[in-house]
Amino acid sequence: KAGVTQTPRYLIKTRGQQVTLSCSPISGHRSVSWYQQTPGQGLQFLFEYFSETQRNKGNFPGRFSGRQFSNSRSEMNVSTLELGDSALYLCASSLDSTTNTQYFGPGTRLTVL
Amino acid sequence: AQTVTQSQPEMSVQEAETVTLSCTYDTSESDYYLFWYKQPPSRQMILVIRQEAYKQQNATENRFSVNFQKAAKSFSLKISDSQLGDAAMYFCAYRGMEYGNKLVFGAGTILRVKS
Repeated sequence: KAGVTQTPRYLIKTRGQQVTLSCSPISGHRSVSWYQQTPGQGLQFLFEYFSETQRNKGNFPGRFSGRQFSNSRSEMNVSTLELGDSALYLCASSLDSTTNTQYFGPGTRLTVL
Repeated sequence: AQTVTQSQPEMSVQEAETVTLSCTYDTSESDYYLFWYKQPPSRQMILVIRQEAYKQQNATENRFSVNFQKAAKSFSLKISDSQLGDAAMYFCAYRGMEYGNKLVFGAGTILRVKS
């Protein structure tokens, strides 16, 4: 089975712009979670989607949003980018939204100038 | 309060030797899951091992094994016969209902392998 894929792998944006990141889960997985990784804050949970519904949300401002499509693919959007949004954004998929193992994609490196 | 604590920011091990990475966690639940993930320089997060709290037997995956002490809320990772490819950042993670089933990560331990 193909693993979790994320596009794009690298992105450079300027402050004030918005960005959309995409994640395709492992075939058959219906839950997708997003994490932000920075040197200062470590790995922080953004949100989780299961069957097109947001199941859980982390402590991030409303500029961070997401959605999931009927094929389980997910997108994450960040509006009005700030310098502090520069990070590695990791997507993880699992069979469902309980305690199954999450498998990660390679990440999207976002740089905000 | 930190939910998952990795007290060793950095560790070194000689090739072919054994190293143990420490992890403690805080929870009031009795049923939960614990994981060790490896993140090499490529930044790809790779699952190393998983432990269900209700299982008393320690999980093992080839050269990787854990010492799960439920009462002490401790979950250490032992890497035997260390290889150069083991060099990476290792994250301990907790997943349970108490935190909404999301993965809660420790700060990570950088493992360096010397040849």
